[in-house]
Amino acid sequence: EVQLVESGGGLVQPGRSLKLSCLASGFTFSNYGMNWIRQAPGKGLEWVASISSSSSYIYYADTVKGRFTISRDNAKNTLYLQMTSLRSEDTALYYCARRGTSLFDYWGQGVMVTVSS
Amino acid sequence: DIMLTQSPATLSVTPGESISLSCRASQSISTNLHWYQQKPNESPRVLIKYASQTISGIPSRFSGSGSGTDFTLNINRVEPEDFSVYYCQQSNSWPFTFGSGTKLEIK
Repeated sequence: EVQLVESGGGLVQPGRSLKLSCLASGFTFSNYGMNWIRQAPGKGLEWVASISSSSSYIYYADTVKGRFTISRDNAKNTLYLQMTSLRSEDTALYYCARRGTSLFDYWGQGVMVTVSS
Repeated sequence: DIMLTQSPATLSVTPGESISLSCRASQSISTNLHWYQQKPNESPRVLIKYASQTISGIPSRFSGSGSGTDFTLNINRVEPEDFSVYYCQQSNSWPFTFGSGTKLEIK
Protein backbone atom coordinates (compact mmCIF):
# COMPACT_ATOMS: atom_id res chain seq x y z
CA GLU A 1 0.00 0.00 0.00
CA VAL A 2 1.38 3.38 -1.01
CA GLN A 3 1.75 5.72 1.93
CA LEU A 4 3.00 9.29 2.09
CA VAL A 5 3.36 10.82 5.54
CA GLU A 6 4.21 14.49 5.89
CA SER A 7 5.73 16.09 8.97
CA GLY A 8 7.45 19.25 10.10
CA GLY A 9 4.61 21.73 9.94
CA GLY A 10 3.62 24.23 12.60
CA LEU A 11 3.32 27.88 13.52
CA VAL A 12 6.18 30.10 12.36
CA GLN A 13 6.74 33.84 12.32
CA PRO A 14 6.93 35.76 9.06
CA GLY A 15 10.44 35.79 7.64
CA ARG A 16 11.46 32.59 9.39
CA SER A 17 12.18 29.15 7.94
CA LEU A 18 10.64 25.70 8.17
CA LYS A 19 11.48 22.33 6.66
CA LEU A 20 8.83 19.79 5.71
CA SER A 21 9.45 16.08 5.24
CA CYS A 22 7.47 13.36 3.50
CA LEU A 23 8.25 9.73 4.26
CA ALA A 24 7.21 7.37 1.47
CA SER A 25 6.50 3.65 1.65
CA GLY A 26 4.79 0.93 -0.34
CA PHE A 27 6.51 1.69 -3.66
CA THR A 28 9.98 2.15 -5.12
CA PHE A 29 10.51 5.79 -4.19
CA SER A 30 13.54 6.27 -6.43
CA ASN A 31 11.44 5.50 -9.54
CA TYR A 32 8.99 8.37 -9.17
CA GLY A 33 8.89 12.10 -9.44
CA MET A 34 7.52 13.79 -6.34
CA ASN A 35 5.70 17.02 -5.67
CA TRP A 36 4.54 19.46 -3.03
CA ILE A 37 1.07 20.89 -3.47
CA ARG A 38 -0.58 23.28 -1.05
CA GLN A 39 -4.07 24.42 -0.16
CA ALA A 40 -4.73 27.62 1.73
CA PRO A 41 -7.64 27.45 4.19
CA GLY A 42 -10.90 27.32 2.26
CA LYS A 43 -9.11 27.70 -1.08
CA GLY A 44 -8.15 25.53 -4.04
CA LEU A 45 -5.09 23.50 -4.86
CA GLU A 46 -1.80 25.14 -5.81
CA TRP A 47 1.13 23.13 -7.14
CA VAL A 48 4.32 24.31 -5.37
CA ALA A 49 7.33 22.28 -6.51
CA SER A 50 8.35 19.13 -8.32
CA ILE A 51 11.47 16.98 -8.38
CA SER A 52 12.27 14.14 -10.76
CA SER A 53 13.22 10.67 -9.60
CA SER A 54 16.96 11.33 -9.70
CA SER A 55 16.73 15.02 -8.78
CA SER A 56 17.83 15.97 -12.30
CA TYR A 57 14.78 18.13 -12.97
CA ILE A 58 13.32 20.56 -10.46
CA TYR A 59 10.51 23.04 -10.98
CA TYR A 60 8.94 25.69 -8.78
CA ALA A 61 5.84 27.83 -8.85
CA ASP A 62 6.67 31.49 -9.33
CA THR A 63 5.11 32.24 -5.94
CA VAL A 64 7.83 30.29 -4.11
CA LYS A 65 10.80 30.44 -6.49
CA GLY A 66 13.91 31.64 -4.71
CA ARG A 67 12.43 30.98 -1.26
CA PHE A 68 11.59 27.26 -1.27
CA THR A 69 13.87 24.34 -2.09
CA ILE A 70 12.65 20.86 -2.89
CA SER A 71 14.99 17.91 -2.42
CA ARG A 72 14.92 14.18 -1.84
CA ASP A 73 16.94 11.40 -0.29
CA ASN A 74 16.22 8.19 -2.16
CA ALA A 75 18.14 6.13 0.39
CA LYS A 76 15.77 7.33 3.08
CA ASN A 77 12.62 7.34 0.92
CA THR A 78 12.07 10.92 1.95
CA LEU A 79 11.04 14.12 0.18
CA TYR A 80 11.79 17.54 1.64
CA LEU A 81 10.66 21.12 1.27
CA GLN A 82 12.89 23.78 2.78
CA MET A 83 10.89 26.97 3.14
CA THR A 84 12.59 30.29 3.89
CA SER A 85 11.43 33.92 4.10
CA LEU A 86 7.95 32.68 4.92
CA ARG A 87 5.00 34.99 4.35
CA SER A 88 1.44 34.99 5.63
CA GLU A 89 0.29 33.92 2.17
CA ASP A 90 2.29 30.69 2.56
CA THR A 91 -0.17 29.58 5.25
CA ALA A 92 -1.65 26.36 3.91
CA LEU A 93 -2.00 22.63 4.19
CA TYR A 94 1.00 21.19 2.36
CA TYR A 95 0.54 17.88 0.58
CA CYS A 96 3.21 15.55 -0.64
CA ALA A 97 2.11 13.82 -3.85
CA ARG A 98 3.60 11.17 -6.08
CA ARG A 99 3.70 11.90 -9.78
CA GLY A 100 2.61 8.89 -11.77
CA THR A 101 3.57 9.89 -15.33
CA SER A 102 1.98 13.34 -15.41
CA LEU A 103 -0.69 13.22 -12.77
CA PHE A 104 -0.65 13.17 -9.00
CA ASP A 105 -1.75 9.63 -8.28
CA TYR A 106 -1.12 9.37 -4.53
CA TRP A 107 -1.35 12.09 -1.89
CA GLY A 108 -0.38 12.31 1.74
CA GLN A 109 -2.77 13.55 4.40
CA GLY A 110 -1.10 16.95 4.46
CA VAL A 111 0.75 19.01 7.05
CA MET A 112 -0.37 22.46 8.18
CA VAL A 113 1.94 25.45 8.00
CA THR A 114 0.77 28.66 9.65
CA VAL A 115 2.77 31.83 9.17
CA SER A 116 1.79 34.42 11.74
CA SER A 117 3.31 36.71 14.31
CA ASP B 1 1.33 29.62 -17.60
CA ILE B 2 -1.75 27.71 -18.70
CA MET B 3 -4.91 28.80 -16.91
CA LEU B 4 -7.78 26.41 -16.29
CA THR B 5 -11.24 27.87 -15.82
CA GLN B 6 -13.82 25.64 -14.19
CA SER B 7 -17.53 26.23 -14.32
CA PRO B 8 -19.80 26.52 -12.59
CA ALA B 9 -18.12 27.42 -9.29
CA THR B 10 -20.97 25.74 -7.44
CA LEU B 11 -23.58 23.32 -8.68
CA SER B 12 -26.62 22.38 -6.60
CA VAL B 13 -28.21 19.08 -7.58
CA THR B 14 -30.50 16.39 -6.28
CA PRO B 15 -29.13 12.86 -5.84
CA GLY B 16 -29.94 10.82 -8.92
CA GLU B 17 -29.43 13.68 -11.36
CA SER B 18 -26.79 13.40 -14.07
CA ILE B 19 -24.44 16.37 -14.40
CA SER B 20 -21.55 17.82 -16.36
CA LEU B 21 -18.71 19.96 -15.05
CA SER B 22 -16.61 22.10 -17.37
CA CYS B 23 -12.89 22.87 -17.48
CA ARG B 24 -11.53 25.22 -20.12
CA ALA B 25 -7.82 25.72 -20.80
CA SER B 26 -6.28 29.03 -21.89
CA GLN B 27 -4.43 27.23 -24.70
CA SER B 28 -4.53 23.81 -26.27
CA ILE B 29 -3.35 21.03 -23.96
CA SER B 30 -4.28 18.03 -26.13
CA THR B 31 -5.68 15.48 -23.68
CA ASN B 32 -3.23 16.27 -20.86
CA LEU B 33 -6.04 16.97 -18.43
CA HIS B 34 -6.88 15.11 -15.23
CA TRP B 35 -9.80 15.30 -12.81
CA TYR B 36 -9.65 15.04 -9.01
CA GLN B 37 -12.26 14.79 -6.29
CA GLN B 38 -11.72 16.24 -2.84
CA LYS B 39 -14.14 15.38 -0.08
CA PRO B 40 -14.25 17.56 3.08
CA ASN B 41 -11.17 17.07 5.26
CA GLU B 42 -9.68 14.55 2.86
CA SER B 43 -6.83 14.58 0.39
CA PRO B 44 -7.71 14.79 -3.30
CA ARG B 45 -7.95 11.60 -5.33
CA VAL B 46 -7.69 11.22 -9.07
CA LEU B 47 -10.90 10.28 -10.90
CA ILE B 48 -10.04 10.53 -14.59
CA LYS B 49 -6.68 10.78 -16.33
CA TYR B 50 -5.80 12.11 -19.77
CA ALA B 51 -9.26 13.59 -20.25
CA SER B 52 -11.16 10.32 -20.60
CA GLN B 53 -9.15 7.41 -19.24
CA THR B 54 -10.63 5.56 -16.30
CA ILE B 55 -8.87 4.89 -13.02
CA SER B 56 -9.00 1.56 -11.26
CA GLY B 57 -11.38 1.63 -8.31
CA ILE B 58 -13.32 4.70 -9.45
CA PRO B 59 -17.06 4.09 -9.98
CA SER B 60 -18.16 3.83 -13.60
CA ARG B 61 -20.62 6.70 -13.20
CA PHE B 62 -17.65 9.07 -13.55
CA SER B 63 -16.51 9.76 -17.10
CA GLY B 64 -14.55 12.43 -18.91
CA SER B 65 -14.33 13.85 -22.39
CA GLY B 66 -12.70 16.59 -24.39
CA SER B 67 -9.44 17.62 -25.99
CA GLY B 68 -7.66 20.82 -26.90
CA THR B 69 -9.16 23.49 -24.67
CA ASP B 70 -12.58 22.18 -23.61
CA PHE B 71 -13.09 19.33 -21.18
CA THR B 72 -16.03 17.82 -19.32
CA LEU B 73 -16.43 15.62 -16.28
CA ASN B 74 -19.70 13.75 -16.28
CA ILE B 75 -21.35 12.09 -13.33
CA ASN B 76 -24.17 9.76 -14.25
CA ARG B 77 -26.78 9.74 -11.49
CA VAL B 78 -25.08 11.54 -8.64
CA GLU B 79 -24.77 9.54 -5.42
CA PRO B 80 -24.78 11.12 -1.92
CA GLU B 81 -21.04 10.43 -1.54
CA ASP B 82 -20.28 12.47 -4.68
CA PHE B 83 -20.99 15.81 -3.03
CA SER B 84 -17.51 17.32 -2.84
CA VAL B 85 -15.20 19.61 -4.79
CA TYR B 86 -13.85 18.68 -8.22
CA TYR B 87 -10.62 20.02 -9.69
CA CYS B 88 -9.08 19.72 -13.12
CA GLN B 89 -5.30 19.78 -13.61
CA GLN B 90 -3.18 20.11 -16.73
CA SER B 91 0.10 18.33 -17.36
CA ASN B 92 0.80 19.69 -20.84
CA SER B 93 3.52 22.06 -19.65
CA TRP B 94 5.18 23.31 -16.48
CA PRO B 95 3.97 24.69 -14.21
CA PHE B 96 1.28 22.07 -13.85
CA THR B 97 -1.79 24.05 -12.90
CA PHE B 98 -5.14 23.34 -11.29
CA GLY B 99 -8.51 24.85 -11.95
CA SER B 100 -10.22 26.71 -9.13
CA GLY B 101 -12.66 23.89 -8.52
CA THR B 102 -16.38 23.18 -8.77
CA LYS B 103 -18.26 22.50 -5.56
CA LEU B 104 -21.05 19.98 -5.98
CA GLU B 105 -23.65 20.49 -3.29
CA ILE B 106 -26.98 18.98 -2.38
CA LYS B 107 -30.00 20.96 -3.51
